[in-house]
Amino acid sequence: AQSVTQLDSHVSVSEGTPVLLRCNYSSSYSPSLFWYVQHPNKGLQLLLKYTSAATLVKGINGFEAEFKKSETSFHLTKPSAHMSDAAEYFCVVIPPSYDKVIFGPGTSLSVIP
Amino acid sequence: DAGITQSPRHKVTETGTPVTLRCHQTENHRYMYWYRQDPGHGLRLIHYSYGVKDTDKGEVSDGYSVSRSKTEDFLLTLESATSSQTSVYFCAIRPGLAEDTQYFGPGTRLTVL
Repeated sequence: AQSVTQLDSHVSVSEGTPVLLRCNYSSSYSPSLFWYVQHPNKGLQLLLKYTSAATLVKGINGFEAEFKKSETSFHLTKPSAHMSDAAEYFCVVIPPSYDKVIFGPGTSLSVIP
Repeated sequence: DAGITQSPRHKVTETGTPVTLRCHQTENHRYMYWYRQDPGHGLRLIHYSYGVKDTDKGEVSDGYSVSRSKTEDFLLTLESATSSQTSVYFCAIRPGLAEDTQYFGPGTRLTVL
């Protein structure tokens, strides 16, 4: 069965320091992987997605994610946090059959000035 | 902006009353989805549609029904609302079979008293 684990429910960083949000998944087949961001009282916005073309994926607002098949991970990173990055982040897995869309529980990112 | 609107944006209702939420899209996409978002659960799929009059259940479909009589509208109905259905509801579209990304509407906050 497919599942998504976001290892931290809350991450707090200082402005200007690196961000690491962790995501591990389990899937029988090579899935499509996504990161979405949700700012307070807003809808979900696509940050980036992995679909097997390259293991390092660049997204919007300076975010990147690296797909590591051996570790079944898809961690999200950003070199330098900005106050506007404070939000909830969701890792999402979709199997090739597209019969499920599996959201992780989310990681809340706080950025301290 | 994927041209998705949801109405109403906020609703307070009483236990036992019927409630219908509307998702409207302007770009003729075939695939539409309804999710609910609850703390600690990420988003969970309620129902989805792959065309006019073609719908199927997601993982949390009990207590919900949907209808899609026009391409642009996907309605979610709670036949008899319960307090456990207090949640934020998101509609999403998927542009096509070759595109696995979903784009989300702004959400509807529903409170069942």
